[in-house]
Amino acid sequence: EVHLLESGGGLVQPGGSLRVSCAASGFTFNNYAMIWVRQAPGKGLEWVSGMSGSGGGTYQADSVKGRFTISRDYSKNTMYLQMNSLRAEDTAVYYCAKGHASYCSGGTCYLDYWGQGTLVTVSS
Amino acid sequence: QSALTQPASVSGSPGQSITISCTGTSSDVGGYNYVSWYQQHPGKAPKLIIYEVSNRPSGVSNRFSGSKSGNTASLTISGLQAEDEADYFCSSYTTSSTLGVFGTGTKVTVL
Repeated sequence: EVHLLESGGGLVQPGGSLRVSCAASGFTFNNYAMIWVRQAPGKGLEWVSGMSGSGGGTYQADSVKGRFTISRDYSKNTMYLQMNSLRAEDTAVYYCAKGHASYCSGGTCYLDYWGQGTLVTVSS
Repeated sequence: QSALTQPASVSGSPGQSITISCTGTSSDVGGYNYVSWYQQHPGKAPKLIIYEVSNRPSGVSNRFSGSKSGNTASLTISGLQAEDEADYFCSSYTTSSTLGVFGTGTKVTVL
C-alpha cells in the first residue's frame, strides 16, 4: 500500500527558512516522479515543485524559483522541499504527491497518491 | 500561468446528475489529453478520481465520468450522493510551465 507522510511544517518568520519532508513507502521510489502541491487557507491547489524519478529533472513554479529547492534521498525513500526567503503568501498546507510516471514535465503526470499535508505558516 | 476556470459552486439533489466545467486554452486543456480531476473533502487530502480526460482509477465509483470538448473539460457526477459533497479541482498539462496547472475549484453541495 502506498503511503506518503509529510513532516516539518510549522511557524516561521518572513525571510526565514524551513525544510519539509515526505517519507514514501509501498512503491519503488526511484521509478516515479514526486511533486509538491500547496493550498493556501481557503484557496485552491497550486503545483509548487517536482522531481523526476531518477532525479535528473526538476520542475519549479515561477512563484518559488530561486527560493525553494527540491531534493530526494533514495536511501531513505524521502523527498524534501527546502524553503528559503519565505513570504506571507507561502503560508499553506504543503502536500506531497506521487506522479504516475517517472517524468512529469508540464504536468503530464496525474497525481495518484497524496499525503495528508503539513502546514507552513509564515508570520511575524 | 493562470488557473483553469471552474464554476465556484454547483449543487444538486440526491440522485440527480451534475456537471462541472474546466475551461482553459489550446495551450493546455484544448491541446492535450492530460486532464485529471481531484476530489477533496474538508480537511482532507485531494484524491484522484479521473485521469487523462476520462479514465477512472481502480476503486473510484463509475458515477464519476470525464469528457472534453474544445478547450473545456467536464466532470459529471451521476446519481448524486451526500458523500459527493466536496471540492473538485481539475488539472491539465500546460505548455506555459514545467509543472501543470490546476483549476480554480468547485464546491459541490448536495441539497
